[in-house]
Amino acid sequence: ETGVTQSPTHLIKTRGQQVTLRCSSQSGHNTVSWYQQALGQGPQFIFQYYREEENGRGNFPPRFSGLQFPNYSSELNVNALELDDSALYLCASSLGEGPQHFGDGTRLSIL
Amino acid sequence: QQQVKQSPQSLIVQKGGISIINCAYENTAFDYFPWYQQFPGKGPALLIAIRPDVSEKKEGRFTISFNKSAKQFSLHIMDSQPGDSATYFCAATYNQAGTALIFGKGTTLSVSS
Repeated sequence: ETGVTQSPTHLIKTRGQQVTLRCSSQSGHNTVSWYQQALGQGPQFIFQYYREEENGRGNFPPRFSGLQFPNYSSELNVNALELDDSALYLCASSLGEGPQHFGDGTRLSIL
Repeated sequence: QQQVKQSPQSLIVQKGGISIINCAYENTAFDYFPWYQQFPGKGPALLIAIRPDVSEKKEGRFTISFNKSAKQFSLHIMDSQPGDSATYFCAATYNQAGTALIFGKGTTLSVSS
């Protein structure tokens, strides 16, 4: 059974640029959630996708957007990057009412 | 508004000792309370979880104690080992485990050998 995989592992961008992060869900999981984890903090919910539709969103601005594909993989897109966007971005997958399982994240640094 | 408060921020325990981490929540609609363990450079890994219809759940050396009336729950790690040194997060959610998790700020545990 393949777990949640995220790419890339690390990424460096400058202010104002755009970034796309990718996530492959665990085999058989149909729901993907994205979280932002600032240094020394707990993960914060960004949004969730189920059946290719956004299924809940946290307190993040519209420049954070996402997609889910028919194979349940997902992308997180962030436009107009700001210094405060520097964080570890985590993807978690789940099936129905089952628990969420996390990938190892993408470390995004904004210069 | 922080809906899940976790304490302590850091904890040092001797090998073989008991590690205790506490969490308090505000939203009485929460009905699923997981604990995650995170090592440096890794994502959070689900350790153990509880629903409010039971007061305690044990899996190996890890136990969750749940007090619904006080809106508190805690993680106990028995016979703590150096390999348990990690950051632990409590979380809460409602309706089902697959919905948005609200995390505490984390507790960094160091187990000295």
